[in-house]
Amino acid sequence: AQKITQTQPGMFVQEKEAVTLDCTYDTSDPSYGLFWYKQPSSGEMIFLIYQGSYDQQNATEGRYSLNFQKARKSANLVISASQLGDSAMYFCAMRENYGGSQGNLIFGKGTKLSVKP
Amino acid sequence: SAVISQKPSRDICQRGTSLTIQCQVDSQVTMMFWYRQQPGQSLTLIATANQGSEATYESGFVIDKFPISRPNLTFSTLTVSNMSPEDSSIYLCSVVGGDYGYTFGSGTRLTVV
Repeated sequence: AQKITQTQPGMFVQEKEAVTLDCTYDTSDPSYGLFWYKQPSSGEMIFLIYQGSYDQQNATEGRYSLNFQKARKSANLVISASQLGDSAMYFCAMRENYGGSQGNLIFGKGTKLSVKP
Repeated sequence: SAVISQKPSRDICQRGTSLTIQCQVDSQVTMMFWYRQQPGQSLTLIATANQGSEATYESGFVIDKFPISRPNLTFSTLTVSNMSPEDSSIYLCSVVGGDYGYTFGSGTRLTVV
């Protein structure tokens, strides 16, 4: 069965510094997609970045980058130049595939990031 | 990408009552997912709703407690029935369609007293 593991319940980072949020995954499917979402206290899910299993390069979206190490089955999120508004819960997720069709996402337990001024 | 309107955004309900949550999508989508997020926890899939067929429920969730309606390709409802304080959670709907495949509603924050 597919599984996502986030081992950091909480993280602190100083404003303007970079921070790495860890995510490991487990799947036997050679084709998969990995996602990172941000959830502020309002509860909405904000898409940050996506990495496909066959993508040759690490994904980047502005201040967000994904450190994808396929052999180690890790997909860590790197946030550069942290801002106070980055304080939120961060979830790593994997797409389940149903016979080639897109299924639901399965989520890790999340990491609560707090940015200190 | 798809846009989802989810209502209500929050509610406080008495135990023993029921609440129906609605999700309206601005485009036709085949699959819609309903998630529950208990306080301080991750998102857990409740069920997958396809138009014209019975919803498929995950282990631990039953239709009598969480009946789902999917009358067409743009609309779905989730009802939380006979509520207890343990049902206090954020409920989110999601569809395939959007940033690399997924869009979420803004969530319904439910408190049962």
